[in-house]
Amino acid sequence: SFELTQPPSVSVSPGQTAKITCSGDALPNHYAYWYQQKPGQAPVLVVFKNTERPSGIPERFSGSGSGTTVTLTISGVQAEDEADYYCQSVDITATFSVVFGGGTKLTVL
Amino acid sequence: EGQVGESGGGLVQPGRSLRLSCAASGFKFDNHAMHWVRQRPGKGLEWVSVISWNSGRVDYADSVRGRFTISRDNAKNFVYLQMNSLRAEDTASYYCAKDKSGHYENPGGGYMDVWGKGTTVNVSS
Repeated sequence: SFELTQPPSVSVSPGQTAKITCSGDALPNHYAYWYQQKPGQAPVLVVFKNTERPSGIPERFSGSGSGTTVTLTISGVQAEDEADYYCQSVDITATFSVVFGGGTKLTVL
Repeated sequence: EGQVGESGGGLVQPGRSLRLSCAASGFKFDNHAMHWVRQRPGKGLEWVSVISWNSGRVDYADSVRGRFTISRDNAKNFVYLQMNSLRAEDTASYYCAKDKSGHYENPGGGYMDVWGKGTTVNVSS
């Protein structure tokens, strides 16, 4: 199955913009999804189908990109946004599988 | 949106079996595929398995294929993960998650919009 590559860490100051990238050769053919996971908690879906935001997710979370790299952007970062972020896609080249990126630790300085 | 909640985790010896359960509520269970995702201590998310709305299709990660079996009971709103021949590397928190679609293999599915809090499996002698 293909791989999704994320930077291990991103650091920003409160109020700044954080950008987390996710790269994978199969991304032009399949949607990307983003999850936020805070310590000791279950993941939460924050972006689906590359750019759409679920109800209840703050507008400061947005997804973009096409081709082999997609990006999760958090505008006006708040302290509560400190978490691990995972991108996800699917692989249907042989059997079906779900692929997660390795995760990015967002630190709010 | 609904809720899901896992149970059945615990300490088990290598080579033994364990069955995890996931109870669903607040949504039309038989309209949605269901996934199991695990997270080893201090590591990232790893997808384990998925079952379609009517059990007509199931898929597994290579790391568990042949050892784990996913199933569901739409009358009871439960999904299960039977784990056999457990190994130390299966030690993880196991999450149950609802797929947005009943047909996870189609473009509208294959992602998880509701997650449980997880249950911990510790495989150790």
